Amino acid sequence: DARVTQTPRDKVTEMGQEVTMRCQPILGHNTVFWYRQTMMQGLELLAYFRNRAPLDDSGMPKDRFSAEMPDATLATLKIQPSEPRDSAVYFCASGLGTGFEQYFGPGTRLTVT
Amino acid sequence: QKEVEQDPGPLSVPEGAIVSLNCTYSNSAFQYFMWYRQYSRKGPELLMYTYSSGNKEDGRFTAQVDKSSKYISLFIRDSQPSDSATYLCAMSVLTGGGNKLTFGTGTQLKVEL
Repeated sequence: DARVTQTPRDKVTEMGQEVTMRCQPILGHNTVFWYRQTMMQGLELLAYFRNRAPLDDSGMPKDRFSAEMPDATLATLKIQPSEPRDSAVYFCASGLGTGFEQYFGPGTRLTVT
Repeated sequence: QKEVEQDPGPLSVPEGAIVSLNCTYSNSAFQYFMWYRQYSRKGPELLMYTYSSGNKEDGRFTAQVDKSSKYISLFIRDSQPSDSATYLCAMSVLTGGGNKLTFGTGTQLKVEL
């Protein structure tokens, strides 16, 4: 059963701490997306990669957020330092090529106190 | 003003009712129109998609796109309690970087027994 996995599922941290979220895309998918979901803004695209190369990270606050794909089976999203306004659910999604079908993971629920 | 507007609800209907969910958008370049369903504490999953204007039917679900009015709809016939979820519309335009999705904020639907 192919699916996107994300860890951790829940993370509570204090302001100023570093947070790292991990995503394993579906095997064979070469496009990976990071989204943030809040009640007010809905789903916002933070960054995406194709064949491990970053294509667009314009949705991401550059000073504190960074996204990488160390290899084809792992994508990471890092926040340093974290702030209370970063509290949200962070989703990873994967897909094939330029296709619009995206398969979402279960999300990481981040709470920054 | 957001590119995609969606009434957040919540929308509560009795079992068996016909449900109508809608989104409006402002970017006339959007080509693909999608509906995602998101259950509580899960990632969104693609329900249906249409390309350009017209209707598409899949079982109890019908997606409708009116590009002249920049308006899309999802109809659910014979609604079931298992349809209770948040429904997100999404739209995209194919660029050199691929298909970037723009999401509505979602409409929360509850189907009551």
